[in-house]
Amino acid sequence: GQSLEQPSEVTAVEGAIVQINCTYQTSGFYGLSWYQQHDGGAPTFLSYNALDGLEETGRFSSFLSRSDSYGYLLLQELQMKDSASYFCAVYYNQGGKLIFGQGTELSVKP
Amino acid sequence: ETGVTQTPRHLVMGMTNKKSLKCEQHLGHNAMYWYKQSAKKPLELMFVYNFKEQTENNSVPSRFSPECPNSSHLFLHLHTLQPEDSALYLCASSPPTGGNTEAFFGQGTRLTVV
Repeated sequence: GQSLEQPSEVTAVEGAIVQINCTYQTSGFYGLSWYQQHDGGAPTFLSYNALDGLEETGRFSSFLSRSDSYGYLLLQELQMKDSASYFCAVYYNQGGKLIFGQGTELSVKP
Repeated sequence: ETGVTQTPRHLVMGMTNKKSLKCEQHLGHNAMYWYKQSAKKPLELMFVYNFKEQTENNSVPSRFSPECPNSSHLFLHLHTLQPEDSALYLCASSPPTGGNTEAFFGQGTRLTVV
């Protein structure tokens, strides 16, 4: 089957570091992506990991371990504007499907 | 602006109405998707089109009927919907095949069935 699991909610304070985990039970996919969605808005692409290891893009980093079926999104120097939902996603070549996890709602407090 | 445009942005329809949602992209992408997102819920994949061919129907009720006349346009035809179909309907497009498949989303159509 294809499933991705994330925590439903995470709360942190401004300036802190937060890690959002994603575990998956699937095979035959290309890599793990992360998307951000603000309330009422469209999801926007943040990062992609095709290979194991850490990918860094500014304040955001993403990690993948295929052997552990696990990945995470790391957000540093949190800002109020980072309050949003974060989704991990995988793309399957069979059917060309992009499947999303259930999303993690991040609340950044002053 | 993501390059993916959805119309209308908001739609209220009765259960006996027929309406259509439209999605348009000129990014040169060959894969297009319809997703349903209910309040506080994840993105549920409905349909996938690759090179104008439907490659995925995720057990969607027949009251939702997709149409992809070309690689730039995607429609979702709606008829005899139920109140539980009220949700945000998102269209997305992406480059063909795998690799770094960054999907671009439209702003969505907020559908209310009364």
